Amino acid sequence: AQSVTQLDSHVSVSEGTPVLLRCNYSSSYSPSLFWYVQHPNKGLQLLLKYTSAATLVKGINGFEAEFKKSETSFHLTKPSAHMSDAAEYFCVVSDLHGPLVFGKGTRLSVIA
Amino acid sequence: DTGVSQNPRHKITKRGQNVTFRCDPISEHNRLYWYRQTLGQGPEFLTYFQNEAQLEKSRLLSDRFSAERPKGSFSTLEIQRTEQGDSAMYLCASSEGAPRGNQPQHFGDGTRLSIL
Repeated sequence: AQSVTQLDSHVSVSEGTPVLLRCNYSSSYSPSLFWYVQHPNKGLQLLLKYTSAATLVKGINGFEAEFKKSETSFHLTKPSAHMSDAAEYFCVVSDLHGPLVFGKGTRLSVIA
Repeated sequence: DTGVSQNPRHKITKRGQNVTFRCDPISEHNRLYWYRQTLGQGPEFLTYFQNEAQLEKSRLLSDRFSAERPKGSFSTLEIQRTEQGDSAMYLCASSEGAPRGNQPQHFGDGTRLSIL
């Protein structure tokens, strides 16, 4: 069975400082991993995906994530936070056959 | 806009009533998924379709829930005899399917269901 653990339920950073959102996964297969972002009362937007190519994955809006198999981690980072980054972030794992398994989410707050 | 479209955006109904939601996927996507998201939680998988075939159902999908995708295009999710615990955001997603492997799923804005 697959699962995802997001290690922080809430992260607060100052505008212009780095962002780190932590995620550990468990999968019996070679997993596909994703990060999605959700703004209030909206659906989910794909930030980036890992599917066994390069271990450092670049996504939209300056986000990137590094797949570390030895640590079963897929942490999301951004060098400099912007006010518009404030949202809920979900780490997601999936095998080849479709349904996504979501973490519980990390709420990112950005302080001016 | 060629994204995933869900209707209605909000539904308020009394306990015991039936409700139906609609999802229109991205036109070239043959996989369609339904998820449920309760407050403060990540979405949970309910069911998915490859074209018109319903390939998997979660144990969360009780016998009060039924989903259809009759022509392999839009899908409906019906909840019969609604209960308080059905209050949630219902999300639809679509993706390209096999043989291209696990393609990203694209989500609609969801239907928020409130049971009075």
